Amino acid sequence: DGGITQSPKYLFRKEGQNVTLSCEQNLNHDAMYWYRQDPGQGLRLIYYSQIVNDFQKGDIAEGYSVSREKKESFPLTVTSAQKNPTAFYLCASRANYRADNEQFFGPGTRLTVL
Amino acid sequence: LAKTTQPISMDSYEGQEVNITCSHNNIATNDYITWYQQFPSQGPRFIIQGYKTKVTNEVASLFIPADRKSSTLSLPRVSLSDTAVYYCLVGDRLSGGYNKLIFGAGTRLAVHP
Repeated sequence: DGGITQSPKYLFRKEGQNVTLSCEQNLNHDAMYWYRQDPGQGLRLIYYSQIVNDFQKGDIAEGYSVSREKKESFPLTVTSAQKNPTAFYLCASRANYRADNEQFFGPGTRLTVL
Repeated sequence: LAKTTQPISMDSYEGQEVNITCSHNNIATNDYITWYQQFPSQGPRFIIQGYKTKVTNEVASLFIPADRKSSTLSLPRVSLSDTAVYYCLVGDRLSGGYNKLIFGAGTRLAVHP
């Protein structure tokens, strides 16, 4: 089955530690995205990547870092510089050839900082 | 990127038709109107998209007036499983293929027995 996987589903970390969230897709999509969602809020864009070895900051990139070494993978690192990292993190992908706005989302990772 | 305004919440009952209206006064010529659905602790799911007039699929209908400054998502005969947050977005494909979507707070639809 084609789709996007995120792991782990739940993640706990101690304050001051870096943590990496995984996002993998087998849809052959060029573009990938990371969003953050806080309770009762909409999604906010952290980083996005159109092609391999290229990525751009979104609206709330401070305290986060990404890499795009493979088309299928777009891991997100939440660093200790992120002041309030507890949130629900969503990864999405999209085929660049599409003329519409459909993004395919993964199941999400819920990060809790203890 | 055009800003959208939609009701914070709505209530309905099983079997009723639900219409959620979204305002997007500053929509650009190349913008599409897209609706997503999100269940708790899940990623959003694309429902429907349109540019003008009416679009219908197996899940919903989207009505867009001629001036395109608003749109209405119509869910026919809702069930309890339609309880979710619905997001209205407008945006286009910038040259090069990058697509940036702005998700607002959405409309929380509660369907009651």
